[in-house]
Amino acid sequence: GAVVSQHPSRVICKSGTSVKIECRSLDFQATTMFWYRQFPKKSLMLMATSNEGSKATYEQGVEKDKFLINHASLTLSTLTVTSAHPEDSSFYICSATTGVYGYTFGSGTRLTVV
Amino acid sequence: GENVEQHPSTLSVQEGDSAVIKCTYSDSASNYFPWYKQELGKRPQLIIDIRSNVGEKKDQRIAVTLNKTAKHFSLHITETQPEDSAVYFCAATPPLKAAGNKLTFGGGTRVLVKP
Repeated sequence: GAVVSQHPSRVICKSGTSVKIECRSLDFQATTMFWYRQFPKKSLMLMATSNEGSKATYEQGVEKDKFLINHASLTLSTLTVTSAHPEDSSFYICSATTGVYGYTFGSGTRLTVV
Repeated sequence: GENVEQHPSTLSVQEGDSAVIKCTYSDSASNYFPWYKQELGKRPQLIIDIRSNVGEKKDQRIAVTLNKTAKHFSLHITETQPEDSAVYFCAATPPLKAAGNKLTFGGGTRVLVKP
């Protein structure tokens, strides 16, 4: 079946530094990937839609300069949290469409900013 | 945009009993409704889905029903087992476009199955 690999699974970084999270579709080409943020005991909140070869579409309230998304190929999308602060600590998950109605999720990245 | 409401937020059932989770959606154009199970710190896993041209779908102990007129859909888990304990999310999306459609998630239901 369709597999989405997400790395790293956990990362701890210092305030003010940047962190890059990768999301790869391993056995299919994903023209569209989605980035979600999930707070403890909360639902998945869509941050942005990443389209290969074009600029990402950000949801209202999500700072595009804070959360940089690059989708340079059909199998790779990256999310960079720039100048991270403790309030950016969260669980970040990517998802890719696998055809009509198919969505596959990455394993998630637990980001802790200290 | 689409808005998905999910109830209840928590559900505690005795092992062997049934669990029912209900969701409503706002966009009549939505026509795909997946259900996900998420264990702590893990990715959401698709457990069942339904398209708007179908009113009910069943897979062993899990079933989903859809009422397009009322714009609500429900997840039914029968003969619950302790391993069914997790957080369940419903979602809705309009028909797929060339660039892909985003899922809108419900708020989630934390299910606890007591042995």
